[in-house]
Amino acid sequence: GDSVTQMEGPVTLSEEAFLTINCTYTATGYPSLFWYVQYPGEGLQLLLKATKADDKGSNKGFEATYRKETTSFHLEKGSVQVSDSAVYFCALGGTSYGKLTFGQGTILTVHP
Amino acid sequence: SAVISQKPSRDICQRGTSLTIQCQVDSQVTMMFWYRQQPGQSLTLIATANQGSEATYESGFVIDKFPISRPNLTFSTLTVSNMSPEDSSIYLCSVETAEQFFGPGTRLTVL
Repeated sequence: GDSVTQMEGPVTLSEEAFLTINCTYTATGYPSLFWYVQYPGEGLQLLLKATKADDKGSNKGFEATYRKETTSFHLEKGSVQVSDSAVYFCALGGTSYGKLTFGQGTILTVHP
Repeated sequence: SAVISQKPSRDICQRGTSLTIQCQVDSQVTMMFWYRQQPGQSLTLIATANQGSEATYESGFVIDKFPISRPNLTFSTLTVSNMSPEDSSIYLCSVETAEQFFGPGTRLTVL
C-alpha cells in the first residue's frame, strides 16, 4: 500500500539557517504530493503541493520538487524564521479519491 | 476554499462512555473524511462519509466503534463508542474541494 517516510525529528535550527526535511514515498499510480504544516495551537494547513513529476510546489519561501526517479518530495527553505516553528507533514494523495497518506511529522523549532 | 468547524474542541471523558463529534462545513461537499491523530503520531484516515450512504471505513476501523452520520452535504458526525484510554487522540474532519481542508480538530482525552 501507499506509505510516506519523513526524516526523524525534532529539528532545531537557528534563525536564517537552511532547512531540509526529507520525505520519500511508496505508491501505486501517480500520486499528488503535499506538505502540510501545523502551527502551535492551530489546525492543519496546506503549505504546498505538486501534482506530477518534476513539478515544484512553493509557498512562503518553502519549496519542494516532485522527484519520481527518487520517489522523494523534500521540503526546503533557504532562511528559516522563528515563526516557521511548527510540525510539518509530508503526504500523498490521489491514488484513492480524497484519501491522504501522511508521514509521521517533523517538529521544527527555530531559535532567534 | 472551505471553512470547517468542529464541536467540541476538546473533551475529557470516562472510559466506557461515548462522545459524538460534529463537523460543519460552510459549503456543500460530496465527501467528508474523518482522521485520527494519536499523541505524537501522524494522521490516519478513519473513514470516508458520503451523503446518503454508509461510510467507508479504512482497515482497522469498524462501524460499531466509530459510527458516522452524514445527513446532508454540509454536516457529519463521528461517534467514538465505548471509549478506552487508547482512544485519546485528536479527531479531525476534512473535506476536499480544490484541495483538502481540515477542521481545527477535537482533542479527546479518555481517563
